[in-house]
Order: sequence, then structure tokens, then C-alpha cells
Amino acid sequence: SSELTQDPAVSVALGQTVRITCQGDSLRSYYASWYQQKPGQAPVLVIYGKNNRPSGIPDRFSGSSSGNTASLTITGAQAEDEADYYCNSRDSSGNLSVVFGGGTKLTVL
Amino acid sequence: QVQLQQWGAGLLKPSETLSLTCAVYGGSFSGYYWSWIRQPPGKGLEWIGEINHSGSTNYNPSLKSRVTISVDTSKNQFSLKLSSVTAADTAVYYCARVSNLVTIFGVVEYSWFDPWGQGTLVTVSS
Repeated sequence: SSELTQDPAVSVALGQTVRITCQGDSLRSYYASWYQQKPGQAPVLVIYGKNNRPSGIPDRFSGSSSGNTASLTITGAQAEDEADYYCNSRDSSGNLSVVFGGGTKLTVL
Repeated sequence: QVQLQQWGAGLLKPSETLSLTCAVYGGSFSGYYWSWIRQPPGKGLEWIGEINHSGSTNYNPSLKSRVTISVDTSKNQFSLKLSSVTAADTAVYYCARVSNLVTIFGVVEYSWFDPWGQGTLVTVSS
């Protein structure tokens, strides 16, 4: 089955821009979706597909994709954006499975 | 607004069967897949499997031999059973709605999970 690789940890200064990446062969076939998870809470969808934001997600969150890499960009990071971020996509090996990345811990300095 | 409410036993002994149920309130049950995802303490998310209202399922190959996901459309509920649990199955288990964007050729272009249930911590210990 496919795998999605994320950097374990990323930091950003308050108000600056940060990009969190997700790499994997399945991303050549499927767009990624992105989830924010704060301690003790269920994940929350922040970006899905090409670059779609669910209702209620601030427009500082955006998504992009190129080749085998998907990216989540936070433009003007806020303190409340400090969280774990996970990407996911369908598995491209043909079995309709779903794969998640290992997650990125975002620290806002 | 769709809400998912889940419940089930939180403490199991090794070799027992984990059983969780998720109820869907406030939205359409058909037309979507419904999924289970788990997260071991301090670790990342792992997809377990999914089911649609017709009972069609897809499972994580690594868990397929032990997993059964079923649906009760009369109650807008779906359930997870995981047999022969071990300490490695200790995790927070989430249910979630799966949406798929399907092309005109019937190919899934991408999928996303939203909303999620509140999570249930299941501990396997002797």
C-alpha cells in the first residue's frame, strides 16, 4: 500500500507564513485532504481536494499540489493554529484504501 | 448540520472483540461512505475501513482479517467490530463521514472525512 510522508515538526513565527508538506506516490493520482487536531480533540477538516475550505475555516489556510507533493499553507499563522496537521488521500495501489500521513506538529513561536 | 455520536466498551481484555457504534444525526445517510479511524496514544491516524448505506465495504488490508463494519440504515447507524484485540489495538477510535468527489467516468478524484465523532478511547489490558 501507499505511504504519505510528513515532516514530524515545523515551527513558524507568529504572523508569518508556513508550509506543511505531504509526499507520496498516491498524490500523483489523488488530491490530498488536510486535518487539524488539537490536544484531546477530534481532527477537523481544513482543506480538501484541489484547494477547498469547509465553512468556518479561515482563509489563511490554503492547499496546493504538484507531482507527488501536497502542501498546506498557513498565511499569517495565529497562536490558535498550533496543532498537529495530517494529510490523507486514497491509496493508489487500486484497493480503494485510505492512507494518512504521520502528522506534523506545528509550533507557533 | 450532521453530527456523529459514537459509543462502545472502553476496556477490553486481550483476545476479546472490540465493538463500537456510531449514530448519524441531522443529515442524509445514503450517498456517503462512513468510516472508522483510530489513533494510538501519542501517534498518528490509521484508517480502519468504511461502509456505505448499501453495505459495500472497503477495509485497511493490514486489519482486514479482523475487521467487520456493518450498517443499520433503519437507525442511521454503523458499527465496527475488531476481533482478537491485543494491546496494540489500544487507541482512540473515531467515526467519520466520507465524501468522495467522483469524475464523470466514475473514478474517485479525492475523498475527505468530515465531520468526525467525538472519539472513544479503547484500552486493551489484562
